[in-house]
Amino acid sequence: AQTVTQSQPEMSVQEAETVTLSCTYDTSENNYYLFWYKQPPSRQMILVIRQEAYKQQNATENRFSVNFQKAAKSFSLKISDSQLGDTAMYFCAFLYNFNKFYFGSGTKLNVKP
Amino acid sequence: DTGVSQDPRHKITKRGQNVTFRCDPISEHNRLYWYRQTLGQGPEFLTYFQNEAQLEKSRLLSDRFSAERPKGSFSTLEIQRTEQGDSAMYLCASSQDRGYNEQFFGPGTRLTVL
Repeated sequence: AQTVTQSQPEMSVQEAETVTLSCTYDTSENNYYLFWYKQPPSRQMILVIRQEAYKQQNATENRFSVNFQKAAKSFSLKISDSQLGDTAMYFCAFLYNFNKFYFGSGTKLNVKP
Repeated sequence: DTGVSQDPRHKITKRGQNVTFRCDPISEHNRLYWYRQTLGQGPEFLTYFQNEAQLEKSRLLSDRFSAERPKGSFSTLEIQRTEQGDSAMYLCASSQDRGYNEQFFGPGTRLTVL
């Protein structure tokens, strides 16, 4: 069975600063994908960034980057130059066999002005 | 087509009543997923369809739950004899059947069972 753990229920960061959200997962699979999704208050989930497990290079999307450590089964999200619009719940998710996601319990990020 | 839509957005019902939710996926997406999200938790997989075929069901989907996608387009999720424990956000997502299969989520239907 696949499990995803987010150990930080809530975090705060000052606007323009950098914050890192943690995620660990457990699987016996070798080929899979990892994602970070953002869920703003009362709005739908949107994809932030994804990482293919077979790629060693860490994914980057503008201010968002990941630190993927496959051996350690760790997949953290770094948000640089935090903006007020980054305030949201962030979910780490694991996908294999191209069907259902396994989500973590989420980290609530509050960006303070 | 602006994305995945769900109807209704909110539903309040009394215990024991039946409820039905609808999901309209992105038009070219042949996969459709249902998830349940309780307060403070991440979404949990319920079931998914490829076209009109229901390919997988979670053990979370008790006999009171049924999902259909009769024409391979929109889907319905029905909960019979609702219980207070069914109170949750029900999310629908859709994807294409290729590549890394990015799932696009709808806004959800929030169910409250009194």
